[in-house]
Amino acid sequence: KNEVEQSPQNLTAQEGEFITINCSYSVGISALHWLQQHPGGGIVSLFMLSSGKKKHGRLIATINIQEKHSSLHITASHPRDSAVYICAVRRGSNYKLTFGKGTLLTVNP
Amino acid sequence: EAGVTQFPSHSVIEKGQTVTLRCDPISGHDNLYWYRRVMGKEIKFLLHFVKESKQDESGMPNNRFLAERTGGTYSTLKVQPAELEDSGVYFCASSQGYINQEKLFFGSGTQLSVL
Repeated sequence: KNEVEQSPQNLTAQEGEFITINCSYSVGISALHWLQQHPGGGIVSLFMLSSGKKKHGRLIATINIQEKHSSLHITASHPRDSAVYICAVRRGSNYKLTFGKGTLLTVNP
Repeated sequence: EAGVTQFPSHSVIEKGQTVTLRCDPISGHDNLYWYRRVMGKEIKFLLHFVKESKQDESGMPNNRFLAERTGGTYSTLKVQPAELEDSGVYFCASSQGYINQEKLFFGSGTQLSVL
């Protein structure tokens, strides 16, 4: 079993819907990252969290350290949000990240 | 400011051949990381440079893989000889420092296909 599990693996939504992607991990971490990869594109770092909640535009990321769980929310989803969203955890002070398999989000107009 | 750039974007080679991937980090970033995603699997860490020194190469699959970062600038990852299971997307990333709040910047990746 992977140390980082994401759900769902695939998600299809209609434009305007509220999206939630979940990430659970089984190890102690120093930080958790949410990453985005558009088809054919590079990876972009969305958030880095060690506690609480962060918000950037329509994206909100939360983490519960005690429960070893994080969620990424997208409000008022748009077709341009269609991408693979990847959760990754860091266990020390460097970037030897452990990644989840990713969630493929498709937002239809 | 230029981002992390990787060359080539795609490479198709035959089993047994040699391939060299290149990564140019953001100027001034001491930390450079290589990751790989094999089809259907999660991205995995390969190694970490701090300037020209290998800080952690625990993720390198075997001795057919050789990474270098001469002068602490760009890095190369050579696969020799390539095998079918080496196919995947190789990502490079860089960051300025070691502190917890440092952001990681990724390149677009090199898609390697070994036939």
